[in-house]
Amino acid sequence: KAGVTQTPRYLIKTRGQQVTLSCSPISGHRSVSWYQQTPGQGLQFLFEYFSETQRNKGNFPGRFSGRQFSNSRSEMNVSTLELGDSALYLCASSSEGTTEAFFGQGTRLTVV
Amino acid sequence: GIQVEQSPPDLILQEGANSTLRCNFSDSVNNLQWFHQNPWGQLINLFYIPSGTKQNGRLSATTVATERYSLLYISSSQTTDSGVYFCAVGSYSGAGSYQLTFGKGTKLSVIP
Repeated sequence: KAGVTQTPRYLIKTRGQQVTLSCSPISGHRSVSWYQQTPGQGLQFLFEYFSETQRNKGNFPGRFSGRQFSNSRSEMNVSTLELGDSALYLCASSSEGTTEAFFGQGTRLTVV
Repeated sequence: GIQVEQSPPDLILQEGANSTLRCNFSDSVNNLQWFHQNPWGQLINLFYIPSGTKQNGRLSATTVATERYSLLYISSSQTTDSGVYFCAVGSYSGAGSYQLTFGKGTKLSVIP
């Protein structure tokens, strides 16, 4: 069974641009969560999707958004990028009936 | 929200030594996971352990949910054990959503 796949692995963007990151969950997993990891703040919850609905969102500005498709794949978008958005973005998936989360390799975003 | 504290923050071991990493959490939780973050950033699942004790090779973990702590034991450490170990506790929020709250990690360095 393939694991959680995130694309791209690395991104360099300029301040003010927007970026879209993609996450394909483990087959059969319907819950997808996103986390941001920075040296200063550690790992922080961004949002969680289940059956194309955002069920929960962490304490992040509205520039951070996401969506989930009918095949459970998810995308997150960050608009008007700031230097502080430079981080490792991790996606996790879980299957219904269990709370065990499995993570992808992450997307390392650098904003210059 | 839930607070998760990991100790020690840094640990240096000689190859072959044993170690114990601790995770304290501030409230009752639905789940607890231990992860090892590899050099490329991916979080590798070590244990899914809301309570009790589990063992996997040289690693074992114990969670005492009533006392709000978990321990990760590494025996006969190897240089490949180096990296950052994270404890994450899971909790449900509204609409059935589930999220992980991470500790700041323990950075383990195993020297030959």
